[in-house]
Amino acid sequence: AQSVSQHNHHVILSEAASLELGCNYSYGGTVNLFWYVQYPGQHLQLLLKYFSGDPLVKGIKGFEAEFIKSKFSFNLRKPSVQWSDTAEYFCALSGQGSYIPTFGRGTSLIVHP
Amino acid sequence: SQTIHQWPATLVQPVGSPLSLECTVEGTSNPNLYWYRQAAGRGLQLLFYSVGIGQISSEVPQNLSASRPQDRQFILSSKKLLLSDSGFYLCAWSKGDSRQETQYFGPGTRLLVL
Repeated sequence: AQSVSQHNHHVILSEAASLELGCNYSYGGTVNLFWYVQYPGQHLQLLLKYFSGDPLVKGIKGFEAEFIKSKFSFNLRKPSVQWSDTAEYFCALSGQGSYIPTFGRGTSLIVHP
Repeated sequence: SQTIHQWPATLVQPVGSPLSLECTVEGTSNPNLYWYRQAAGRGLQLLFYSVGIGQISSEVPQNLSASRPQDRQFILSSKKLLLSDSGFYLCAWSKGDSRQETQYFGPGTRLLVL
């Protein structure tokens, strides 16, 4: 069975602070990993994804995530957050050969101006 | 470009009434289609997915059903709603020629059962 764990359920930061959201997964094979973001009042949308190759992937709006296979982790980072980054962030995995993605519970990020 | 539509955006229904939520995708063919329920603090729960017309897989036992009468149409239904069916329902699609593609989500339907 596959699972995704997001450790931080609520994060509150001030603008310009650095961000790291944790994501750990459990799966016994090759995985594809995603971070999705849901801004207030908007559709859930893809932030970045890892399929293969360079384990450090860059996404939109200055976000990046690093796949560390030995730690089963795919943490999301941003060096300096902005008020507009206030949103809910979901980590997800899809095992190769599966139609069924698994999502974490989400992390609500609030950035104070 | 591809777009995904869901309606209605909001729905208030009495317990025991039927339900029909519709999702349509434009700009692609033979997509994989998904229904999720999103609950605060609980992430996204996959309810159903479909890889083709008439092909529905259910992930959890529940009071709901799904149908795919056309290639780009996915319907979530119930014959008799329960209070516990209240929630936010999301439809999503991904490219049908791959099992590992990005998912694209609709705007969602907020359902309140009273």
